[in-house]
Amino acid sequence: EDKVVQSPLSLVVHEGDTVTLNCSYEVTNFRSLLWYKQEKKAPTFLFMLTSSGIEKKSGRLSSILDKKELFSILNITATQTGDSAVYLCAVGSPFNTDKLIFGTGTRLQVFP
Amino acid sequence: GAGVSQSPSNKVTEKGKDVELRCDPISGHTALYWYRQSLGQGLEFLIYFQGNSAPDKSGLPSDRFSAERTGGSVSTLTIQRTQQEDSAVYLCASSSNRAQPQHFGDGTRLSIL
Repeated sequence: EDKVVQSPLSLVVHEGDTVTLNCSYEVTNFRSLLWYKQEKKAPTFLFMLTSSGIEKKSGRLSSILDKKELFSILNITATQTGDSAVYLCAVGSPFNTDKLIFGTGTRLQVFP
Repeated sequence: GAGVSQSPSNKVTEKGKDVELRCDPISGHTALYWYRQSLGQGLEFLIYFQGNSAPDKSGLPSDRFSAERTGGSVSTLTIQRTQQEDSAVYLCASSSNRAQPQHFGDGTRLSIL
């Protein structure tokens, strides 16, 4: 059965800290891994990763995929209170119509 | 529209009533997905549309749940004879094709009394 596991479940840091969020997966015929940020409502798309070892970067956020070890990390440097959210990892497989299989998320709280 | 639009944003209804939830995807997006997010749970897939057809309905939890899509655009998720366990946030997502990122609407928060 396809599954996605995220760790830690929650994280509390101070502004300026750097955090690393983890996502491991098992999926038949992997196509892509996606990261989303969910504050109060809609999950907001962050990154889509399809190839190993290629870092994707957007401002203070970056992510990388390891298809051999079946995991991805999301890094956030110089955290700000606005980074407080639940970060969701999901994988898609063309074998399964690319519906997304989600982890339960990591809740990040950044305090001033 | 600029993003995925869902309505209503909140729905409170009595057990046993039928409800309809609407999703208006990003213009031109052919792939449309419904998910459900229950308290303390991750997002669970319900149904996938490509155009107006639904090749994957495997996530619908019971025959009380159905969905349709018309004109390759708006989709409606219907829940008949609602039960308390149906209480959740129902999220819709669309993408330009299956290999592209899915973009989510704000969801409908459904509460069954």
